[in-house]
Amino acid sequence: GAVVSQHPSRVICKSGTSVKIECRSLDFQATTMFWYRQFPKQSLMLMATSNEGSKATYEQGVEKDKFLINHASLTLSTLTVTSAHPEDSSFYICSSSRSNTEAFFGQGTRLTVV
Amino acid sequence: GQNIDQPTEMTATEGAIVQINCTYQTSGFNGLFWYQQHAGEAPTFLSYNVLDGLEEKGRFSSFLSRSKGYSYLLLKELQMKDSASYLCAVKDSNYQLIWGAGTKLIIKP
Repeated sequence: GAVVSQHPSRVICKSGTSVKIECRSLDFQATTMFWYRQFPKQSLMLMATSNEGSKATYEQGVEKDKFLINHASLTLSTLTVTSAHPEDSSFYICSSSRSNTEAFFGQGTRLTVV
Repeated sequence: GQNIDQPTEMTATEGAIVQINCTYQTSGFNGLFWYQQHAGEAPTFLSYNVLDGLEEKGRFSSFLSRSKGYSYLLLKELQMKDSASYLCAVKDSNYQLIWGAGTKLIIKP
């Protein structure tokens, strides 16, 4: 089946630094990838939709200059959390799917900003 | 607005049956999904319904009624490992997944 690989699975960074999270589709071309954030005991919240070769579409309330998304190829999308602060600590997950099939998720990245 | 409702938490006994309900109001409908999510992990796909009726897959079954905007996930022969959150999600007219808040299922021996 289709596989989406996300890296790193865990990262601890200092406040003010930037962190890059990679999401790769391993056996299909992902023209669209979705980036989610999940706080403890809460549901998945869509942050942005990443489209290959064009600018990402951000959900209301998500700062595009803070959460930089790059989708330069059909198999790779990256999310960079810039100038991270402790309140950015969360579980970040990417997903993609082939048209009208189920979403395949990356393993998730647990970000802790200290 | 778009809305998906499911109970926050349910408790059931090992070996028993539990039904988790989900109601939705979305702009368009292109399928309803159930996912299982263990704490700290990504969701894993359980089932997909796009037509009315029951889909059975082993111990798990999922039902859909589009006219009622209603679905349920039925788990039989509950095992301790079934303790997790169960997420209901609907693909809207733009094929974007709209997520419910999830139902935390607690299995007791």
